[in-house]
Amino acid sequence: AQSVTQLGSHVSVSEGALVLLRCNYSSSVPPYLFWYVQYPNQGLQLLLKYTTGATLVKGINGFEAEFKKSETSFHLTKPSAHMSDAAEYFCAVSDGNKLVFGAGTILRVKS
Amino acid sequence: ETGVTQTPRHLVMGMTNKKSLKCEQHLGHNAMYWYKQSAKKPLELMFVYSLEERVENNSVPSRFSPECPNSSHLFLHLHTLQPEDSALYLCASSQEEQGGNEQYFGPGTRLTVT
Repeated sequence: AQSVTQLGSHVSVSEGALVLLRCNYSSSVPPYLFWYVQYPNQGLQLLLKYTTGATLVKGINGFEAEFKKSETSFHLTKPSAHMSDAAEYFCAVSDGNKLVFGAGTILRVKS
Repeated sequence: ETGVTQTPRHLVMGMTNKKSLKCEQHLGHNAMYWYKQSAKKPLELMFVYSLEERVENNSVPSRFSPECPNSSHLFLHLHTLQPEDSALYLCASSQEEQGGNEQYFGPGTRLTVT
């Protein structure tokens, strides 16, 4: 079965600093990978996805993620954090008709 | 309306009440999902409907009863709930295809059981 591990339940960065949220997956088949963001009292919003092709995927709000098969990783990055990026971020891997989610990483942005 | 909508957004109910949560998707998708999100716990998949048929039920207690009358609507009927059922209930939809199926989520219903 597919699984996802997000390293660090909380990450704190200063405004303008690099954001790096880590995700490692386990999959018995070529994976389809996703990052979602959740703002307080809202649903999950798709940030970006990797299916096939280019391993560097660009998403909304300046985020990008790189699929590294050799490391079974799909880390999320943003060059410069903004206060509005404070939220919870979920990595997910496709498992048939389901998505398997990681436990989430809460991003705090300090002014 | 666009995307996935859920009503009500907030619900407070006693343990002996019966209530229903409603989800509607306006995306033309053929699969719908119910998730439970509790504080400090991973997102839990409860039910999956594909082409209006339930294809997965992840050992959810019978006090939760889903209904999918058509591909656009999904309900979660609640009865005799427990306080530990208080959570954010999220609905999602997707278009099933070979490979990854990105899911689109509604805003959720915040349920409090008293």
